[in-house]
Amino acid sequence: NAGVTQTPKFQVLKTGQSMTLQCAQDMNHEYMSWYRQDPGMGLRLIHYSVGAGITDQGEVPNGYNVSRSTTEDFPLRLLSAAPSQTSVYFCAAGEGLYEQYFGPGTRLTVT
Amino acid sequence: TQLLEQSPQFLSIQEGENLTVYCNSSSVFSSLQWYRQEPGEGPVLLVTVVTGGEVKKLKRLTFQFGDARKDSSLHITAAQPGDTGLYLCAGEFLTTDSWGKLQFGAGTQVVVTP
Repeated sequence: NAGVTQTPKFQVLKTGQSMTLQCAQDMNHEYMSWYRQDPGMGLRLIHYSVGAGITDQGEVPNGYNVSRSTTEDFPLRLLSAAPSQTSVYFCAAGEGLYEQYFGPGTRLTVT
Repeated sequence: TQLLEQSPQFLSIQEGENLTVYCNSSSVFSSLQWYRQEPGEGPVLLVTVVTGGEVKKLKRLTFQFGDARKDSSLHITAAQPGDTGLYLCAGEFLTTDSWGKLQFGAGTQVVVTP
């Protein structure tokens, strides 16, 4: 049972490039979310989904897109990377908000 | 966005000492969670509290939820080096625009030295 998996673990992008961070879960949980973690700021919610076909914005959604075509997958797309998007990105899944399981994170650097 | 504050930001203690970490807000939580995060890993859930005045214990860790559901504390008894980590509180606020969203505090870095 892998729980929540994220790929890649590390990524370096140039300003203006696009990419997709992958997130998959094998727990059949309806709720999935994406956070970014910056030093001294805790985790900030980017987008979340309460089930397949349903997504909504979190606290810091600008510059990011998401889709949820299946229960298992919740990819995060950076349309045109900016240095301000340098961060560690975490995906989480859970049956509602009461119990969230986090992936190992993707460390992204935008130069 | 409601404000969720953690204190202290950093705590360094010797093995065997006790410590308390606090999480406060001016708004009411519908539920609150505590996580521990180690370097290079994602946060791991320790406990969820939902009822005002609730106390939960997890071995040497004691979690309290304030009566008004605006604050919480995490107390560690006889800390061990394995307790070292970043402790995060996260809450869902009791407002319609906060439904479905978990807000995190900035975290308390705890270092326990042998």
